[in-house]
Amino acid sequence: NAGVTQTPKFQVLKTGQSMTLQCAQDMNHNSMYWYRQDPGMGLRLIYYSASEGTTDKGEVPNGYNVSRLNKREFSLRLESAAPSQTSVYFCASSEAKNYGYTFGSGTRLTVV
Amino acid sequence: EDKVVQSPLSLVVHEGDTVTLNCSYEVTNFRSLLWYKQEKKAPTFLFMLTSSGIEKKSGRLSSILDKKELFSILNITATQTGDSAIYLCAYSGGSNYKLTFGKGTLLTVNP
Repeated sequence: NAGVTQTPKFQVLKTGQSMTLQCAQDMNHNSMYWYRQDPGMGLRLIYYSASEGTTDKGEVPNGYNVSRLNKREFSLRLESAAPSQTSVYFCASSEAKNYGYTFGSGTRLTVV
Repeated sequence: EDKVVQSPLSLVVHEGDTVTLNCSYEVTNFRSLLWYKQEKKAPTFLFMLTSSGIEKKSGRLSSILDKKELFSILNITATQTGDSAIYLCAYSGGSNYKLTFGKGTLLTVNP
């Protein structure tokens, strides 16, 4: 049971570089989410996709873009990384109707 | 604006103590309130509370939801060092099912 798989697990970028964080789920969930977690800030929603073909901004979308490639995959792209984007990123998926999330193991990103 | 506030932000106790973690929320179109435990990696699901299920219990952990006063508590009895973690509260509301999280409570249980 893979659940939600995120890659990479760790990444160091230089300011201005770009990268894409990958996320895939094998539970046939409709909804997928990207969160970032900073010390003392809890989890803040960046973008989400309620269903295949749709994406919406969350609480902190600036500096990010997303692609819901198909029902399984939801990627997060940083076009020009900034030190303020140093964080731990979590992907999650869920089925609708109040079900709890299944989280990936996280990506620790450092921008220097 | 919808929001969820957790208290305390951090807590240090000794093994065997009982702890109560608080979560208050202000949200329109409330659907559910969830509790997660986060150790070193991803959050793991503990409880979901809805209008039809306002009290949940699993072993030493229990949670209640007060929809009138808009808060939830998470109780942990006879704490163990393995209970040390960040406990996150989140609500689901509005026209979609995304979760909005509080900042979490960092619980440290000392031997």
